[in-house]
Amino acid sequence: SQQGEEDPQALSIQEGENATMNCSYKTSINNLQWYRQNSGRGLVHLILIRSNEREKHSGRLRVTLDTSKKSSSLLITASRAADTASYFCPGESNYQLIWGAGTKLIIKP
Amino acid sequence: DAGITQSPRYKITETGRQVTLMCHQTWSHSYMFWYRQDLGHGLRLIYYSAAADITDKGEVPDGYVVSRSKTENFPLTLESATRSQTSVYFCASSGKTGGIGELFFGEGSRLTVL
Repeated sequence: SQQGEEDPQALSIQEGENATMNCSYKTSINNLQWYRQNSGRGLVHLILIRSNEREKHSGRLRVTLDTSKKSSSLLITASRAADTASYFCPGESNYQLIWGAGTKLIIKP
Repeated sequence: DAGITQSPRYKITETGRQVTLMCHQTWSHSYMFWYRQDLGHGLRLIYYSAAADITDKGEVPDGYVVSRSKTENFPLTLESATRSQTSVYFCASSGKTGGIGELFFGEGSRLTVL
């Protein structure tokens, strides 16, 4: 079963707009992470939010975590062409990261 | 160069052949992982290692063998490749103790089994 299930599967927005992606998970987690993967490349860690945190910021990124709803969201403000990528939100539980299929984000110029 | 490197980046082989994918990291991270990525499945864990000489199965270990004689190397071997093993393979490492923490990924090895 998938732990981190990203929603939507694909998102296309204009450059400069904000992008919001959501993530749901099934079991209790110690933390949740967000990763970015550019086409044909390896994954890059963006941010980690612990189960006792509700919100975290890093540059143009804002992540929220709602453990009661088992959900998280990633907001990218003032999107840029370089933000075009797939985004994943694995939750860590029992020393494992369980990955969903990701959200594919396309930033249109 | 520092970091985590995978080789080869691209490999085409035939059904039944043995293939080894190499992974090398320069940080002396304790944890290392092998994932495969297929369309529609996200990343699936094949094997992981908590330290040299300690390895354990992940979600999809069948058909794969790993070893970790040195902290910095974590090779993945397909003993008899099958078409279903056509995939992109990612190696990752983590230096955190008491949990996984942030993973550092290699650039991937794209394997095609004919």
